[in-house]
Amino acid sequence: EAGVVQSPRYKIIEKKQPVAFWCNPISGHNTLYWYLQNLGQGPELLIRYENEEAVDDSQLPKDRFSAERLKGVDSTLKIQPAELGDSAVYLCASSRKGLANNEQFFGPGTRLTVL
Amino acid sequence: DAKTTQPNSMESNEEEPVHLPCNHSTISGTDYIHWYRQLPSQGPEYVIHGLTSNVNNRMASLAIAEDRKSSTLILHRATLRDAAVYYCILRPPLNTGNQFYFGTGTSLTVIP
Repeated sequence: EAGVVQSPRYKIIEKKQPVAFWCNPISGHNTLYWYLQNLGQGPELLIRYENEEAVDDSQLPKDRFSAERLKGVDSTLKIQPAELGDSAVYLCASSRKGLANNEQFFGPGTRLTVL
Repeated sequence: DAKTTQPNSMESNEEEPVHLPCNHSTISGTDYIHWYRQLPSQGPEYVIHGLTSNVNNRMASLAIAEDRKSSTLILHRATLRDAAVYYCILRPPLNTGNQFYFGTGTSLTVIP
């Protein structure tokens, strides 16, 4: 079974530029999460999707961040414009209802550096 | 949101047991205790979870205090590949959204 796929793995941009991250969850997983991880910290939830619906986006900075999961499968997270403080690792995870442990499966993340 | 407290770092010698503690004094009766670990340059991965009883799987054991205010992740024989950050997480009931709050975790160093 293929894991959660994220691209790109690394991205370097200048401040004020836009950037987008892509995530393809595990097949059959209806729940998709985007997390932000700063250096030395644990992941923090940005947004959670149940199929194509964003059911929790309370931590997403909506002035510059946006996300979509149009067909309830893969998802894109966008930042426009990027700021220096956005440098971090952006993690995508997916899960499937019915799993006994409600395990979240994480991708390897995209490391963003804003110069 | 219920919080967990873990030591920032721990060391263990290779092939010796490791006991990683976690305090969660504000845990509610319906919160599950999950442990994830994050290897360098990877996303977190599931290790083990439990509610009230001690749990064992192929990766580790989870010992839960009787009052559920603390728990301990036990790696029976640490290997170099177990060097990672270990997160103790409280998961609220499913109908509240399966939110995970990771905290800062414990960075485990395994000494050859």
